[in-house]
Amino acid sequence: AQSVTQPDIHITVSEGASLELRCNYSYGATPYLFWYVQSPGQGLQLLLKYFSGDTLVQGIKGFEAEFKRSQSSFNLRKPSVHWSDAAEYFCAVGARRGSTLGRLYFGRGTQLTVWP
Amino acid sequence: DSGVTQTPKHLITATGQRVTLRCSPRSGDLSVYWYQQSLDQGLQFLIQYYNGEERAKGNILERFSAQQFPDLHSELNLSSLELGDSALYFCASSDPGLEHNEQFFGPGTRLTVL
Repeated sequence: AQSVTQPDIHITVSEGASLELRCNYSYGATPYLFWYVQSPGQGLQLLLKYFSGDTLVQGIKGFEAEFKRSQSSFNLRKPSVHWSDAAEYFCAVGARRGSTLGRLYFGRGTQLTVWP
Repeated sequence: DSGVTQTPKHLITATGQRVTLRCSPRSGDLSVYWYQQSLDQGLQFLIQYYNGEERAKGNILERFSAQQFPDLHSELNLSSLELGDSALYFCASSDPGLEHNEQFFGPGTRLTVL
């Protein structure tokens, strides 16, 4: 069965520091991979996505993520965090085919706190 | 703004009651998805509709049902509500022309069952 693990429930960084949020997935083949961000009281906004090709993908707000097939990982990174990046971040996978095509499986999320 | 709208934004009701959550997808999107976000279970897929037809079902309770209308808006009906149904309910939509199933999420409806 598909599953997504975000090992870090809560991460605190100082403004200007670098950031890496971890995501590991369990899936029979290479899925579609997504990172979403949720600010308090808001919906989910797509940061970036991986479908195929270059394993380093660029997203909005200066975020990037790297797909590593051998490690079943899709970690999110940002070189310099801004206070406005404080939010909850969700990694998600989606099937490319089969009976579960259409649905997204989400990790439990990582809450990011940014110190000034 | 994703282009997906959901109403109402907040809903407070009592146990045993029935409520209806409404979702309007982005213009041109034929697929609508419903997700539930709770502290216990996280974000879980409930159900998908495509152009009026049910396409996929996830962990949706029998007390819950959904439909998609000819104008493509969708409603999620929750009945015999229990305290544990308190959650944030998201609707998402996607463009069938896209292979990769990128989903755009609405702002959610926060349901509180007292």
